[in-house]
Amino acid sequence: QKEVEQDPGPLSVPEGAIVSLNCTYSNSAFQYFMWYRQYSRKGPELLMYTYSSGNKEDGRFTAQVDKSSKYISLFIRDSQPSDSATYLCGTWGISSGSARQLTFGSGTQLTVLP
Amino acid sequence: SQTIHQWPATLVQPVGSPLSLECTVEGTSNPNLYWYRQAAGRGLQLLFYSVGIGQISSEVPQNLSASRPQDRQFILSSKKLLLSDSGFYLCAWKSSGTVNTEAFFGQGTRLTVV
Repeated sequence: QKEVEQDPGPLSVPEGAIVSLNCTYSNSAFQYFMWYRQYSRKGPELLMYTYSSGNKEDGRFTAQVDKSSKYISLFIRDSQPSDSATYLCGTWGISSGSARQLTFGSGTQLTVLP
Repeated sequence: SQTIHQWPATLVQPVGSPLSLECTVEGTSNPNLYWYRQAAGRGLQLLFYSVGIGQISSEVPQNLSASRPQDRQFILSSKKLLLSDSGFYLCAWKSSGTVNTEAFFGQGTRLTVV
């Protein structure tokens, strides 16, 4: 079982829609979750991070962690064409040696249509 | 502020040729450093990570090697490239002081082996 699973999409929504991007993780010991946005042919850009359970809001973006179901979500309100990108969820996985490994879902490709 | 630089941005190399990709981090000391590869439509695959000068851990047996000759310099190398080495290579760093903290990526190198 992969440590982090993510629906690859692609997901296409009209401008102004609310977008829900989701990941599941395998180990209840995982506590720190990150969302990255990656534009085509660019490196991933850190969007938001959350620690443990609950919600975190930043402008149009809300990150949510449900530890009981091992489910993490990113909501985008009032989506814009500029939000079109691949979104990656990541967490610090099982320790290996002296450093934890940053493990990712496969990414969800989002297109916001004007 | 901290920045990460990765070069070159694109590279086309013939099969059997050597490879050297460089990554440097500025504005921090003793970072944890990572090399990832991203194949088209797939997630990020961790290749190597380093917690200090000369300390390299390999996650995937392959045709590549990594070195960390200086605290904030991370190099990905190959003696003889294979067609299967084509992909998008990303360098990342995180602070070593905290287990759970954000990781930041460079802009990537798109390698095409012909």
